[in-house]
Amino acid sequence: DTEVTQTPKHLVMGMTNKKSLKCEQHMGHRAMYWYKQKAKKPPELMFVYSYEKLSINESVPSRFSPECPNSSLLNLHLHALQPEDSALYLCASSPVPGRYGYTFGSGTRLTVV
Amino acid sequence: KNEVEQSPQNLTAQEGEFITINCSYSVGISALHWLQQHPGGGIVSLFMLSSGKKKHGRLIATINIQEKHSSLHITASHPRDSAVYICAVSISNFGNEKLTFGTGTRLTIIP
Repeated sequence: DTEVTQTPKHLVMGMTNKKSLKCEQHMGHRAMYWYKQKAKKPPELMFVYSYEKLSINESVPSRFSPECPNSSLLNLHLHALQPEDSALYLCASSPVPGRYGYTFGSGTRLTVV
Repeated sequence: KNEVEQSPQNLTAQEGEFITINCSYSVGISALHWLQQHPGGGIVSLFMLSSGKKKHGRLIATINIQEKHSSLHITASHPRDSAVYICAVSISNFGNEKLTFGTGTRLTIIP
C-alpha cells in the first residue's frame, strides 16, 4: 500500500457543527502532516506529527485540533469553524520527518456554511 | 519576496512542445521537490532532488545548488500533462524540517 487515504472527500458543515477529517497510511511512515490549501494558492502547513508526537503547530486556531492515535492514523477535529476556513485540507506523510520525500492524499474539500 | 519563486505563473502550449518550468529559491535547503496537482485534486510527488538531475518517463528535473535554481522539463507534452506544477523546498528549522511551497505554474496543453 503506497497511498495516503483521506476521508471524507467532501464535507459541508455548519459553524456550530463538530466534525473530523481522517487520514490513514500503511507505509510505515513516522511523520504525518496537515496542510490547508485555499483556491489557487499553495498549501500552508498546519501541523506536523513526528513519531506520533506533535512537533510543529503553525499557530493554528484552536478550533482545529489534531490527533494522532497511532502511527498509521491522523485526525483533524473541527469545531466552530468560520466560512473562511473553507478550503482543501491535505494530509501527507514521509518515512522520517522532512526527509525522503512526501506522499500526499487527495484531500478533503471542506465547505463551512 | 517569497523564499521560493516559480516562473512562469501560467503556461499554455501545443501538444508535443517541450516545456520548461523554473524555480528559484533564496534560502539553504536540504532538498527540492517538484509536485503535480490536477484541478480539485490531491498532490502527486514527481521528484525529490538534492543535486544533479533525475528523469522519469517524459519528465526531467535538474537542480543547481550553487545558483539556487531548479528546472522541470516535460518532453513531448500531452494534454494529460495539464496541471499545476509546484516547486517546494525542504528547510531545516531548529531540528524540524518543513516544506515551503512556490506559488505554482498552471500548465495547459492544447491538443
